[in-house]
Amino acid sequence: AQTVTQSQPEMSVQEAETVTLSCTYDTSESNYYLFWYKQPPSRQMILVIRQEAYKQQNATENRFSVNFQKAAKSFSLKISDSQLGDTAMYFCAFTPTSGTYKYIFGTGTRLKVLA
Amino acid sequence: GAGVSQSPSNKVTEKGKDVELRCDPISGHTALYWYRQRLGQGLEFLIYFQGNSAPDKSGLPSDRFSAERTGESVSTLTIQRTQQEDSAVYLCASSSGGQWETQYFGPGTRLLVL
Repeated sequence: AQTVTQSQPEMSVQEAETVTLSCTYDTSESNYYLFWYKQPPSRQMILVIRQEAYKQQNATENRFSVNFQKAAKSFSLKISDSQLGDTAMYFCAFTPTSGTYKYIFGTGTRLKVLA
Repeated sequence: GAGVSQSPSNKVTEKGKDVELRCDPISGHTALYWYRQRLGQGLEFLIYFQGNSAPDKSGLPSDRFSAERTGESVSTLTIQRTQQEDSAVYLCASSSGGQWETQYFGPGTRLLVL
């Protein structure tokens, strides 16, 4: 079975500091997509960053970057220069590129940025 | 333009009643997903629609759950004979096509079954 695990239910970070959220997954697929989505308090979920498994280069979007380790099945999210607006639930998600359109989400990490 | 909208925003029902949840996707988006989010848990995939193709229903938890979508427009998720374990937030998302594409989520419908 394909699973996504986020082992940190809650984290906090000081404003302007860097924080890393962990995500591991289990699959026998060779090609797939990985995503980080953010769900701010009382607001809608939005995409933060995504990665194609066959690309070795780690994705980067402004202050957000990932550390993708395919052999270790790890997909961590690094937030640099944390801002108060980064306070949210962060979900890691996986979908294989063939056979199904199913997305598998982790249970989320609640991140609080402290002033 | 307008985002994904869902209605109602909240629904309280009695055990055994049927409920219908509605999702209006972003205009032009061919793909539509339904998810369930129980308190303190991640999103659980329910069903996927892509254009006029047969939907992927592999995530529906029981035959009490069904969903419809006409073309690339509105979708409805129906839960028959609701149970207390159906209490959750039901999220809808739409995207412009394949699995790589960004999913745009609605605000969700919070369902409480008494």
